[in-house]
Amino acid sequence: DGGITQSPKYLFRKEGQNVTLSCEQNLNHDAMYWYRQDPGQGLRLIYYSQIVNDFQKGDIAEGYSVSREKKESFPLTVTSAQKNPTAFYLCASSIAGGAGNQPQHFGDGTRLSIL
Amino acid sequence: AQSVSQHNHHVILSEAASLELGCNYSYGGTVNLFWYVQYPGQHLQLLLKYFSGDPLVKGIKGFEAEFIKSKFSFNLRKPSVQWSDTAEYFCALYTGKLIFGQGTTLQVKP
Repeated sequence: DGGITQSPKYLFRKEGQNVTLSCEQNLNHDAMYWYRQDPGQGLRLIYYSQIVNDFQKGDIAEGYSVSREKKESFPLTVTSAQKNPTAFYLCASSIAGGAGNQPQHFGDGTRLSIL
Repeated sequence: AQSVSQHNHHVILSEAASLELGCNYSYGGTVNLFWYVQYPGQHLQLLLKYFSGDPLVKGIKGFEAEFIKSKFSFNLRKPSVQWSDTAEYFCALYTGKLIFGQGTTLQVKP
């Protein structure tokens, strides 16, 4: 089945530690996205990539980094600079990033907590 | 500024009651609007979308939404809810990127 796989499902981070969240898709989608979901705030865009080897900052990129070396993969690193990393992280993809009529498909999410 | 606002944060209904969830947006460009749903323990999935044409859009599971340009609104409706509709609902606007509302948690009592 085609879809988006996020791993791990749960992740714990120690103070001062960087952690990387994995996102893989086999939908052959060009565009990929990372969102952060906090209670009462909906989803906020962290980074997005419309094509391999290119990505742009979203609304809350500080303390995060991404790479897009392969079409299928868009890993997110939560760095020690992110002071409030505890949240639910969602990865999404769509057929073409510039086309508003293409709905995004979402993964199951990774819940990150601080030890 | 581009924004999406959902007024109802938590809605509790009994089965068979009618549902209307509010969504208002602020944007001056071409409007592409979506409603997504997140059932407990599941991933976010598309309920319905509006791009152009008939302002009354029908989606999955008996949901519909009406785009009212003069009111900058895209409210979600369902005539008779079921317990299985318990979920979190998000309205979203595409402006070159998706902007989500804060979400509405719907709890349907059996």
